Amino acid sequence: GAGVSQSPSNKVTEKGKDVELRCDPISGHTALYWYRQSLGQGLEFLIYFQGNSAPDKSGLPSDRFSAERTGGSVSTLTIQRTQQEDSAVYLCASSLTRTSAADTQYFGPGTRLTVL
Amino acid sequence: DAKTTQPTSMDCAEGRAANLPCNHSTISGNEYVYWYRQIHSQGPQYIIHGLKNNETNEMASLIITEDRKSSTLILPHATLRDTAVYYCIVRVGYRNYQLIWGAGTKLIIKP
Repeated sequence: GAGVSQSPSNKVTEKGKDVELRCDPISGHTALYWYRQSLGQGLEFLIYFQGNSAPDKSGLPSDRFSAERTGGSVSTLTIQRTQQEDSAVYLCASSLTRTSAADTQYFGPGTRLTVL
Repeated sequence: DAKTTQPTSMDCAEGRAANLPCNHSTISGNEYVYWYRQIHSQGPQYIIHGLKNNETNEMASLIITEDRKSSTLILPHATLRDTAVYYCIVRVGYRNYQLIWGAGTKLIIKP
């Protein structure tokens, strides 16, 4: 596709429910990244994928958070038993590779998650 | 990890050049400087990046000092649509896929 797409754009859920957030990276991009942004804050790194593997999950805030990527393309971020502090904008980015610090990450529009 | 320091906010008149400074005094030799911007309620938009040399593209110019301890993003003819938060980011060396984000500079373009 022309750019990174994410769905849904907005998600409102009740505390304790599970949610799934989807990311479609730019076609041909092998690296995919998840970040989250709380209100008025900078972005916080969560996880990155190279192909279908996630070599670095260090940014995931708790074991309620998980992510997978299939077919080297679409990725899903799952949050189980959501808490109010999970409310944030979840952003996905992709890059052609991740082998170089010169490799540019391109971002999607984000999913705004609100946990009531 | 190299950190960046940016002014909290800046104003610029429409049609004038907007010059956004960034300090990154602890930057390492193999770390790139990246600039992104975020318009309200949108995902971050890539602007430009550089290592040592000055860079220019269709959006902006990036001037990096010789000692690489600071840089300036230049929007040559600012428009109202350039109002956004601008982030200066240094790519972490050993984890070069992570972008460490600060608070950025809120740039307001005034008519």
